Amino acid sequence: GQQLNQSPQSMFIQEGEDVSMNCTSSSIFNTWLWYKQDPGEGPVLLIALYKAGELTSNGRLTAQFGITRKDSFLNISASIPSDVGIYFCAGQRGAQAGTALIFGKGTTLSVSS
Amino acid sequence: KAGVTQTPRYLIKTRGQQVTLSCSPISGHRSVSWYQQTPGQGLQFLFEYFSETQRNKGNFPGRFSGRQFSNSRSEMNVSTLELGDSALYLCASSLTASSASNEQYFGPGTRLTVT
Repeated sequence: GQQLNQSPQSMFIQEGEDVSMNCTSSSIFNTWLWYKQDPGEGPVLLIALYKAGELTSNGRLTAQFGITRKDSFLNISASIPSDVGIYFCAGQRGAQAGTALIFGKGTTLSVSS
Repeated sequence: KAGVTQTPRYLIKTRGQQVTLSCSPISGHRSVSWYQQTPGQGLQFLFEYFSETQRNKGNFPGRFSGRQFSNSRSEMNVSTLELGDSALYLCASSLTASSASNEQYFGPGTRLTVT
């Protein structure tokens, strides 16, 4: 099935550093969602974006819905050890595609203290 | 409010057998979607149910099926299991089936191992 192009695949950073990851697609999406998944658990919703150009924050996390509706990025500021995990972007086309989410392959974040 | 619950959390089956997984959505949520997560393919959409009706289906063989009950609880069934069906099966619930402002919340998943 189709997947989004998510990069980078992995990141190794020091505690306190800022992190940026992004997702791109050749198709337009009506909704972009960002999730974090810890080992052995289901993805946890971090931020949801519904309008092109929208910039939304959730604590140290900030995400934007690209103007072209074909991309989105997530920034994490001042990383801490509990930020470790796999971050997924997900797009939702809507209309006849319903609420089905199309996921990126994930960005694995490692934080050293 | 309790989150999405899935049972069982772990399951080991043999090739050729069938399996049924269960999902209880967040209270008040009426839409349930199922996803398969594997290291190779990542997260793939299986199907979506709303008001006991399948509204959307991903690109999976007919061995994968599901249903939703009047209380919004959902089950998915995989028949004639193959080794490649080993995966984490995730259920997600959302308030409605509308794609506008519709956030999906995931359960912890059922880890299925086929031997």
